[in-house]
Amino acid sequence: EIQLQQSGPELMKPGASVKISCKASGYSFTSYYMHWVKQSHGKSLEWIGYIDPFNGGTSYNQKFKGKATLTVDKSSSTAYMHLSSLTSEDSAVYYCARGNYPFAYWGQGTLVTVSA
Amino acid sequence: DIQMTQSSSSFSVSLGDRVTITCKASEDIYNRLAWYQQKPGNAPRLLISGATSLETGVPSRFSGSGSGKDYTLSITSLQTEDVATYYCQQYWSTPPTFGGGTKLEIK
Repeated sequence: EIQLQQSGPELMKPGASVKISCKASGYSFTSYYMHWVKQSHGKSLEWIGYIDPFNGGTSYNQKFKGKATLTVDKSSSTAYMHLSSLTSEDSAVYYCARGNYPFAYWGQGTLVTVSA
Repeated sequence: DIQMTQSSSSFSVSLGDRVTITCKASEDIYNRLAWYQQKPGNAPRLLISGATSLETGVPSRFSGSGSGKDYTLSITSLQTEDVATYYCQQYWSTPPTFGGGTKLEIK
C-alpha cells in the first residue's frame, strides 16, 4: 500500500523557519517526483514545487522561490520542505503528493501555524 | 500561469439531484484536467484524470467531460457522502494550477 506519512502540526513564531517531512512507503521512492501543495485555511490549493528523489533536481513555483526549499533523504525515503522567514501568510496546511500528474497519492497534511 | 475558474463557489443541492460543476481554463489545456474531491480535514482525493477517466474505486455516478478550455464534472443522483468541495486542476503546463473550488451543501 502506497503511503505518504507527514510530520505533525507546527506552531511557529514569525521570522522562524520550519522543516516538515513526508515519509514514503509502498513504492520505489526514487521513481516518482515528490510534489508539495499549500492550502491556506478555507482556500484553494497552490502548487509549491517538486523534487526528483533520484537526483535531487527541483522545480519551484515562482511564487515560492526563496520561501520553500525541497530536499530528500533517499536512505529513509523521506522528503522534506523547509519554509523560511515565516509570516502569517505561511499559516496553512501543507501536503506532499506523489508525482506523476495528476496527484493520486497525498500525505495527510501538516498544519503550520505562524503566530506571535 | 494558466488560470482555472470554477464559476460557482458553492451549490445548495438535494440528495438525489444531478449536479454539474464547471471549470474554465484561461487557455487550451488539451484535456490535461483532473478533478479532486476534498472533505473537511482530509487531503484531496483524485476522482478523474485526463478530463474523462474515472479513477479506480470512484463510483460511476461521477463523470467528466469537456475539451479545450471548458470542462465539467457531473454527479448523477447525489449521495450524502458526495457532500464535499470539488477542485479542478490543469497539468498541461507548469505550474499546475487549481480552480477555486466548488462546495456542495445539502438544502
